[in-house]
Order: sequence, then C-alpha cells, then structure tokens
Amino acid sequence: GENVEQHPSTLSVQEGDSAVIKCTYSDSASNYFPWYKQELGKRPQLIIDIRSNVGEKKDQRIAVTLNKTAKHFSLHITETQPEDSAVYFCAASRTGTASKLTFGTGTRLQVTL
Amino acid sequence: NAGVTQTPKFRILKIGQSMTLQCTQDMNHNYMYWYRQDPGMGLKLIYYSVGAGITDKGEVPNGYNVSRSTTEDFPLRLELAAPSQTSVYFCASSYGGSDEKLFFGSGTQLSVL
Repeated sequence: GENVEQHPSTLSVQEGDSAVIKCTYSDSASNYFPWYKQELGKRPQLIIDIRSNVGEKKDQRIAVTLNKTAKHFSLHITETQPEDSAVYFCAASRTGTASKLTFGTGTRLQVTL
Repeated sequence: NAGVTQTPKFRILKIGQSMTLQCTQDMNHNYMYWYRQDPGMGLKLIYYSVGAGITDKGEVPNGYNVSRSTTEDFPLRLELAAPSQTSVYFCASSYGGSDEKLFFGSGTQLSVL
C-alpha cells in the first residue's frame, strides 16, 4: 500500500517568514495530493490540493509543488501570520479509489510574533 | 446545511464495553469514511462506504464494524472496547468521482480505561 512520510514534525517561524513542509510518497500510481490544516481542537479542513498532471498550484499565500519523478510534494506558505499556526497534514491517493487517502504524520507549525 | 455531524463529542468506556459512534451528513454525499487520529500518527482509515448498502475495510478495521443503510448515516460500532482504541475518531464525507474533497465532522474523543 501507499506510504506517506512528512517532514518536519514541528516547525517554528517568525511572522512574515516563509514555511515549507515536505512529503514523500511510495506508490507511483498515486495522482491526487491534498493538504489539510487542523487548528487546535478543530476538524481537519482542506486548504489546497494538486493532481499529478500539474507541477505547481497557488492560492494566495499558499502553494503546492509536485515532483512525480522523485515522488515528493511540498507545501509553501509565504508571509506567515499567527493564524497559520496549526497542524498540517499531507495525503496521497489514486483517483477513483473512493478517495482512500493515506495521510502523513503531520507538521505542527508555530508562527511566532 | 449542518455538514457532517458526529455524536458524542466525548466518551469514556470501560474495557469490554461496546458503543456506537453516530455520523450523519446532509450534503447528499455518496462517500463516507471513518478515521482515527492518534497523537503524532496522522489519520488512519478504519472503514469507508461508497454508497448505501456498500462498505469496505480501510487500513485499521480490526475491532470495528460499520453499516450504511441510508445515504445520510454511517455509524461506527466498537465491540469489546480495548485501551488500544483510545483515540480521536473523525467521520468524513465526500461527493465522490472527481470531487475528492473531504468534509470532516468535529470528532469524538474516546478513552477506554
């Protein structure tokens, strides 16, 4: 089955700096890669996703890049703000498999003032 | 729309007891899922359903059962609770097909003592 590794497990940045979270996956047939944000005590929420036919996708201050050859994808957050503090999960799946996502272990991002 | 509603929010069980976690969604989503979240371990898929009357095992199904008699409801049954089932449980749903975004419930914190 799919295996997703995520690094780092914790990340502390100053407000205004950029943050990068990296994930690798094992199944070369995976073609859907979402990122979920989970604030403390809250439910996970989708913030951005990318499919394997695209190398990069941006949405305001967040972007995701995908390298299919190396089987890794990354989340980039620019101009970080205190409200970006949360746990971020990457995931991978094959389209058409009922979205049976395999999640990474999460990255706790702390944005300090 | 209420989205995905889970009950209860908290529960303490004694070893060997049984209980049912309730999940209902009002978005007319075809797919529903149960995940468990252990500290530092990400989200693991327990069971999923692609429609009423259809269920299938995920990554960690042992000790659990599900049913899907209607599109809206997807209860998770724990039989003979064990300490290893102490976790936060999330129900989720998605429309399916090319729309793979997961909508999560608010979670159930379960402790088995």
